[in-house]
Amino acid sequence: DIEMTQSPYTLSASVGDRVTITCRASQSISSWLAWYQQKPGKAPKLLIYKASSLESGVPSRFSGSGSGTDFTLTISSLQPDDSATYYCQQYNSYMFTFGQGTKLEIK
Amino acid sequence: EVQLVESGGGLVQPGGSLRLSCSASGFTFSSYAMHWVRQAPGKGLKYVSTISSTGGATYYADSVKGRFTISRDNSKNTLNLQMTSLRLEDTAMYYCVKDHWSGSFRDFDYWGQGTLVTVSS
Repeated sequence: DIEMTQSPYTLSASVGDRVTITCRASQSISSWLAWYQQKPGKAPKLLIYKASSLESGVPSRFSGSGSGTDFTLTISSLQPDDSATYYCQQYNSYMFTFGQGTKLEIK
Repeated sequence: EVQLVESGGGLVQPGGSLRLSCSASGFTFSSYAMHWVRQAPGKGLKYVSTISSTGGATYYADSVKGRFTISRDNSKNTLNLQMTSLRLEDTAMYYCVKDHWSGSFRDFDYWGQGTLVTVSS
């Protein structure tokens, strides 16, 4: 199975900061990567698909990049509403796998 | 508006069985693969199973293979997950999830609110 490793595990940043979360695949997944945001007690929400495509309705401060094994999710100017846990997910193979999550806190 | 509503969760003893259902509306159910994803309390997301749009192809995580069976009824817009030989480690919130793209297995654009399965003696 393809393993997905996110870093950091937790992140604390201030409103207005630029924030980057990294996701690394154990083997090449081309651009078959998605990012999700999950707030406590809620279902995950799709932010980015195919590594860099912004899902409809998602604020443009969110962006994704990368291909192969290394990917990043960037929030250009952190907002209070962005406090959440973020997950990457590969869909290169039918055995979809998620990263372990990155908890983002607002200082 | 896309809606996915899960049901069937509850408390079950180890070794027991449970059947989860997901009622879908707001999209052409028969055109999309569907998935189950679970999340143990305080833990991350884990993939469970996938079924193609026609039901002709199914996939399972190794941890549930041989114990869980995914199925769908396109005439009733319903997705099911039959769970048998349940273990303590199956305790989780189970999410019904819609594939983003018609006819493919890709990312997940709509998630239900989940149904909680607790395996405990």
